[in-house]
Amino acid sequence: EVQLVESGGGLVQPGRSLRLSCAASGFTFDNYAMHWVRQVPGKGLEWISAITWNSVTIFYADSVRGRFTIARDNAKNSVYLQMNSLRIEDTALYYCTRAPTIGGHPLDSWGQGTLVTVSS
Amino acid sequence: EIVLTQSPDFQSVTPKEIVTITCRASQSIGKSLHWYQQKPDQSPRLLIKYASQSVSGVPSRFSGSGSGTDFTLTIYSLEAEDAAVYYCQQSNSIPPTFGQGTKLEIK
Repeated sequence: EVQLVESGGGLVQPGRSLRLSCAASGFTFDNYAMHWVRQVPGKGLEWISAITWNSVTIFYADSVRGRFTIARDNAKNSVYLQMNSLRIEDTALYYCTRAPTIGGHPLDSWGQGTLVTVSS
Repeated sequence: EIVLTQSPDFQSVTPKEIVTITCRASQSIGKSLHWYQQKPDQSPRLLIKYASQSVSGVPSRFSGSGSGTDFTLTIYSLEAEDAAVYYCQQSNSIPPTFGQGTKLEIK
């Protein structure tokens, strides 16, 4: 069974940093690109970043580029999202998802999400 | 960035009805369009991939169609458990984008 388990969310002040983790199991991790998608509670879905299986290609949404960094460790079956210079508008539930590649395919499995609250 | 516009934003329907949700892309995306279902307090779940392909484990009453810029999700013989928000998503180009969502309420 495919499992994606996010962790690392919490309450943080504006301007501070947070690192999210996603532990994957039940599939061959390095066969997949990994994505992060966020959702403001009660609102829609926003894609924010993706990384290829070998970390060679990385993309970011304009809203987080320069502040967030995605990385993965295939030996640990994990993907990470380092979030710096957090803003109030980054408050959201952050989902880890997977797809065979960055583009061209659906996001076929999702974690339960980890909540990030940015507030003073 | 490709913009996806869903309609309607909200629909209230009775069980056994047939429901149609549309998704229009701001430019042609071929068949790189996928549908997700998100029930309250749950993660999104892939329903239909590549516009019309079924997904393992999804009931056969969910069906998708379309190509280019216009797509449709149809739910035949609606059931109470289908109450959810439905999103379309395109994977034709980066960034992947989602429609704004359609909330389905079951009367």
